[in-house]
Amino acid sequence: DQQVKQNSPSLSVQEGRISILNCDYTNSMFDYFLWYKKYPAEGPTFLISISSIKDKNEDGRFTVFLNKSAKHLSLHIVPSQPGDSAVYFCAADNAGNNRKLIWGLGTSLAVNP
Amino acid sequence: NAGVTQTPKFQVLKTGQSMTLQCAQDMNHEYMSWYRQDPGMGLRLIHYSVGAGITDQGEVPNGYNVSRSTTEDFPLRLLSAAPSQTSVYFCASSYGRTQFFGPGTRLTVL
Repeated sequence: DQQVKQNSPSLSVQEGRISILNCDYTNSMFDYFLWYKKYPAEGPTFLISISSIKDKNEDGRFTVFLNKSAKHLSLHIVPSQPGDSAVYFCAADNAGNNRKLIWGLGTSLAVNP
Repeated sequence: NAGVTQTPKFQVLKTGQSMTLQCAQDMNHEYMSWYRQDPGMGLRLIHYSVGAGITDQGEVPNGYNVSRSTTEDFPLRLLSAAPSQTSVYFCASSYGRTQFFGPGTRLTVL
């Protein structure tokens, strides 16, 4: 049973528009969430994170929103750029889990010029 | 800082062969881990270590061994390679609750 779900395998947006990537989780013990970006033939790179005590975290063009009651988080990229084209992974952690992250399957984002 | 390095980048093995995937980090991170990534399966944790001398199993440990004699190094050993171990392998180290990944090793077992 997948505890972290990214229901959209792929997403295509126009350059300059907003990209919204979604992630749902089932375990209410998760207290920390991370987004990673992965280009082909490279390792995942950390993008942004959010603690469960917050509902929003912003870093430049990237904003993560957390809705704990819905067990849902989303990553907003504004404005989207062609270099943002990559696979985005959502991951979740709980403090008692020895830092074993639980990963979603990823969403492939294509930003078209 | 080189970050997390992995060698080799590519490897082809025959069924039954053994090999070691190397992982090193120069950030003095205590926590290190190994993942495999397969199409449609996301990242799955193989083994992890919370410090030198301490290792534990992750989600898919069978067929793999690890050891952690130093903070810097965390090698992954395939004892007798099987085609089911064809995958891309990532090593990661952690600062706080953020993991930093190496570039990966693409392994094919024939």
